[in-house]
Amino acid sequence: DQQVKQNSPSLSVQEGRISILNCDYTNSMFDYFLWYKKYPAEGPTFLISISSIKDKNEDGRFTVFLNKSAKHLSLHIVPSQPGDSAVYFCAAKGNQFYFGTGTSLTVIP
Amino acid sequence: DAGVIQSPRHEVTEMGQEVTLRCKPISGHNSLFWYRQTMMRGLELLIYFNNNVPIDDSGMPEDRFSAKMPNASFSTLKIQPSEPRDSAVYFCASSLGRATNEKLFFGSGTQLSVL
Repeated sequence: DQQVKQNSPSLSVQEGRISILNCDYTNSMFDYFLWYKKYPAEGPTFLISISSIKDKNEDGRFTVFLNKSAKHLSLHIVPSQPGDSAVYFCAAKGNQFYFGTGTSLTVIP
Repeated sequence: DAGVIQSPRHEVTEMGQEVTLRCKPISGHNSLFWYRQTMMRGLELLIYFNNNVPIDDSGMPEDRFSAKMPNASFSTLKIQPSEPRDSAVYFCASSLGRATNEKLFFGSGTQLSVL
């Protein structure tokens, strides 16, 4: 049973525009959330995270928003660049790390 | 630091053969995780170790899968006998294993193809 869900398998965005990737979770006990980025033939790499005591964390072009009441988080990338094209995994930490199925982002030049 | 090191990068084998995947975690990390990436389930946790002890192996698909961590710097994931449905990318990851707000570091993965 998927405790972390990414309902959009893919997303295409024009260069310079905003990319918004969404993630939902089911367990209210999760206390830390992460986004990972994965290029083909490479392992996932850490991108940004947020603690459950916050509702926003920003790092350069990347911002993660957490809505605990809705059990929803999102990753905003502004402005999107072609190099951002990758698969993005949402993860939640409880007693272990739970990952979503990923969203493949394509940024069109 | 070299990061998490996995070998081999690619493995092609025939159904029924034994397959062994290897992982060296980051030095000083106390937790090690084995994941399998599939289209349907994304990154699926198979098993994880803390201080070389298996903590949760509920994700191991069946008895054909086994994992060991004989010391803090080495782990193996074995499939015996292998089946075509085992074809996937297998990732090893490690973490400090001490804090709530910590992150996982992944290896480059092993692409397994069972013919």
